[in-house]
Amino acid sequence: AQSVTQPDIHITVSEGASLELRCNYSYGATPYLFWYVQSPGQGLQLLLKYFSGDTLVQGIKGFEAEFKRSQSSFNLRKPSVHWSDAAEYFCAVEVDSSYKLIFGSGTRLLVRP
Amino acid sequence: NAGVTQTPKFRILKIGQSMTLQCTQDMNHNYMYWYRQDPGMGLKLIYYSVGAGITDKGEVPNGYNVSRSTTEDFPLRLELAAPSQTSVYFCASSYGGLSSTDTQYFGPGTRLTVL
Repeated sequence: AQSVTQPDIHITVSEGASLELRCNYSYGATPYLFWYVQSPGQGLQLLLKYFSGDTLVQGIKGFEAEFKRSQSSFNLRKPSVHWSDAAEYFCAVEVDSSYKLIFGSGTRLLVRP
Repeated sequence: NAGVTQTPKFRILKIGQSMTLQCTQDMNHNYMYWYRQDPGMGLKLIYYSVGAGITDKGEVPNGYNVSRSTTEDFPLRLELAAPSQTSVYFCASSYGGLSSTDTQYFGPGTRLTVL
């Protein structure tokens, strides 16, 4: 069965430091890949998505993600974290053009001043 | 545009009670979705709809029902509430399926507790 793994439950970084959130998926073919952010008490907002083409994808709020087929990974990065980036981040995949998203369990980002 | 709106924001139910979670979107989107988010977990798809009159099951449909009589509305019905249905429920919509350049827009959620 398809699955998405986010191995880090919590990550704490200092403001201004770089960030990388990990995401691995289990699927035979290349799925469509997404990163969402959820601020406290809010719904999810799409940061970026990968369908095909360039494996480095740029998103909103200065985030980017790189698809690595050999590692079945789609890690999210940001060169300099701001306090407002503190939130929960979810990786998701869509398989078989099914309109259905499978989500990882999320990584909570804490930002130290 | 209000986007995706959900009511109520919070609700406490007793075991065995029923209720309907409302979801409305004003973006003329064809696709609508219901997810649940359990503590410390990602979202799981309950039901989805690709247009008025068409619904289909997601990963965790048991204990829920949906209908889609209009493009705008996609209510989720709990018939016999159980403690296992304590969760935060999110409605989402998109113009097309995820294979397009479209985006899923999420509502703010309904926090449901069943005691």
